[in-house]
Amino acid sequence: NAGVTQTPKFQVLKTGQSMTLQCAQDMNHNSMYWYRQDPGMGLRLIYYSASEGTTDKGEVPNGYNVSRLNKREFSLRLESAAPSQTSVYFCASSTGANYGYTFGSGTRLTVV
Amino acid sequence: QKEVEQNSGPLSVPEGAIASLNCTYSDRGSQSFFWYRQYSGKSPELIMFIYSNGDKEDGRFTAQLNKASQYVSLLIRDSQPSDSATYLCAAHAGNNRKLIWGLGTSLAVNP
Repeated sequence: NAGVTQTPKFQVLKTGQSMTLQCAQDMNHNSMYWYRQDPGMGLRLIYYSASEGTTDKGEVPNGYNVSRLNKREFSLRLESAAPSQTSVYFCASSTGANYGYTFGSGTRLTVV
Repeated sequence: QKEVEQNSGPLSVPEGAIASLNCTYSDRGSQSFFWYRQYSGKSPELIMFIYSNGDKEDGRFTAQLNKASQYVSLLIRDSQPSDSATYLCAAHAGNNRKLIWGLGTSLAVNP
């Protein structure tokens, strides 16, 4: 049972390039989340999907878009990467926030 | 602004001691609380959750909740060097499907 799988694990982008971070969960969870984690800033919610077919902005959505492709998959897209988007990105899922989240292993993104 | 606050540490304890990690929250509507452990370079891992006032024990870990004081704590008994990590506290408020996260407390257990 893989849990939450994120790809890629590492990525270096040049300013202005685009990329999509992939996330898939095999736990039949309804809700999925994208976070970024920066030193001293903690976990900040970018976007979330409470259920298949819905997405909502979190605290720091600017510069990102998401797609809830189906119940299993939730992708995060950077259309035009900026150095300020250098961060560690975590995908998480839950059957409901009252039960806590399961996190993927993260993507370390560097924008130069 | 709903907040969860933690002392950033570092909290340093000797091996075998009890480590006490504390967390306060501002939203009185918060109903459930979570402790996550995050090793350096890894993702957060859920170690304890608590919904009711009082204590909840799981092995060497005890979570304590006092809703009147809006206070959550995590006790780690017989601390081991492998417990050295950052501990994140999170609160969930009712119908809101999102967790509110603290910034974490860094724990160092010294052999």
